[in-house]
Amino acid sequence: QVQLVQSGAEVKRPGASVKISCKASGYTFTTYHIHWVRQAPGQSLEWMGIFSPSDGATSFAQNFRGRVAMTRDTSTSTVYMELNSLTSEDTAVYLCAREGPITYTLDYWGQGTLVSVSS
Amino acid sequence: QSALTQPASVSGSPGQSITISCTGTSSDVGNYNLVSWYQQPPGKAPRLMIYEVSKRPSGVSNRFSGSKSGNTASLTISGLQAEDEADYYCYSYTTSNTYVFGTGTEVTVL
Repeated sequence: QVQLVQSGAEVKRPGASVKISCKASGYTFTTYHIHWVRQAPGQSLEWMGIFSPSDGATSFAQNFRGRVAMTRDTSTSTVYMELNSLTSEDTAVYLCAREGPITYTLDYWGQGTLVSVSS
Repeated sequence: QSALTQPASVSGSPGQSITISCTGTSSDVGNYNLVSWYQQPPGKAPRLMIYEVSKRPSGVSNRFSGSKSGNTASLTISGLQAEDEADYYCYSYTTSNTYVFGTGTEVTVL
C-alpha cells in the first residue's frame, strides 16, 4: 500500500534551518510528483511547492522562493524539504503529499512533521 | 498568490444540504477546471472529495458534488450527516504553475 512517512518533530531557533524527510513506499518513486504543504496551528493549509522525483524539477509558492529547497535520494525513495531563515511564523505542521494518477490533486499524505520555532 | 476565499463556517441540520463557496481569480479558479476539494477532520490528513470541479474519486459518497461559475467554485453536501463535520478546503492550479488552497470552511452539523 502507498505510504509517505515523514521524519519526526523539530525544535529550532529563529534564523536556523530545518530539513524534513518524506519516505515513499508502495509505488514507483519516480512516477508521481510530491507536494509540500504546511498548516500553522489553527490555520488553513498553505501550499509550499512541488517536486518531481524523476528529474528534480521544482516550483515554489511566491512566499517561499529563495528560502526553500527540495531534493531527493532515489536510492531510498525519499524526498527532502529544507526551509531556511526560520521565524516564529514558520511554526507549523509540514506535510508531504503525492500527486497521483488524478493529476492536479493530492491522493496520499504523510503524517505531518511539527516544526516549532522559538527563542 | 493569495488564498482562495471561503466562508469561515457553514452549518446545517442532519439531512439538509449546505454549499461552500470558493472564490478566486481569473488566474486560478476562473482559468482552469482544476479545482479540487478536501475534507480534513480534526487532527487528520486531508482527503480528496472532488476533483476537476465536479468529479468524485472512487469511494466518495454521491452526497458530495461540485460546480463552478466564473471565478467561484462550490461544494455541496446533500443529506448532511454527523460524519461530515470537518474542515473543507478548495484547491486550484494557477497560471504561475503553482497551486493555492482556500482559507478553509468549518462544517458543523447541528
